[in-house]
Amino acid sequence: EDQVTQSPEALRLQEGESSSLNCSYTVSGLRGLFWYRQDPGKGPEFLFTLYSAGEEKEKERLKATLTKKESFLHITAPKPEDSATYLCAVQAVTQGAQKLVFGQGTRLTINP
Amino acid sequence: DGGITQSPKYLFRKEGQNVTLSCEQNLNHDAMYWYRQDPGQGLRLIYYSQIVNDFQKGDIAEGYSVSREKKESFPLTVTSAQKNPTAFYLCASSIDHGQGRGSGEQFFGPGTRLTVL
Repeated sequence: EDQVTQSPEALRLQEGESSSLNCSYTVSGLRGLFWYRQDPGKGPEFLFTLYSAGEEKEKERLKATLTKKESFLHITAPKPEDSATYLCAVQAVTQGAQKLVFGQGTRLTINP
Repeated sequence: DGGITQSPKYLFRKEGQNVTLSCEQNLNHDAMYWYRQDPGQGLRLIYYSQIVNDFQKGDIAEGYSVSREKKESFPLTVTSAQKNPTAFYLCASSIDHGQGRGSGEQFFGPGTRLTVL
């Protein structure tokens, strides 16, 4: 069974304190891994897609990386506006063409 | 502006009532999806549709129904058979490239919060 596990469940950082969020996955064949940001009471906002091990994507203070078993979302010098829940999802070869399996998310809080 | 709209933002249902959640997109996407989100849990797939007049059950379809009569619209009905419907409901869409790269990115609407009274 395809599975996605995110850690930690919650993370509190001081403004400027860099850290990483983890997304571990088990799939029979990875077609793509996706990162989303979700603010309270809103729909997820698409951030990145990663397709193969070794791939990296960057956007402002965020950098996503991918290995064969996990993905990291690195946050460099975060600001309070980076506070949100970050969701990871995988699309597997065995699933239907567009079916995604989501992790439970990491709730990130950046204190000023 | 291209995007996905959901209405209403908040919905209250009495026991035994059916309610319908609206989802519209003007992105010209072929595929559309409905998810349910409960506190502390990941998104769970209810139904999805890859083409007009066709849809498939997701992981938690019991107590829900959908239709896809138009490319732009994918309404979800929460029936009285759904015993625990209080949740945040999210609609999404994606370009259907079939099996190819880039077909997996889904874009979400703002959500509808359903509460059972």
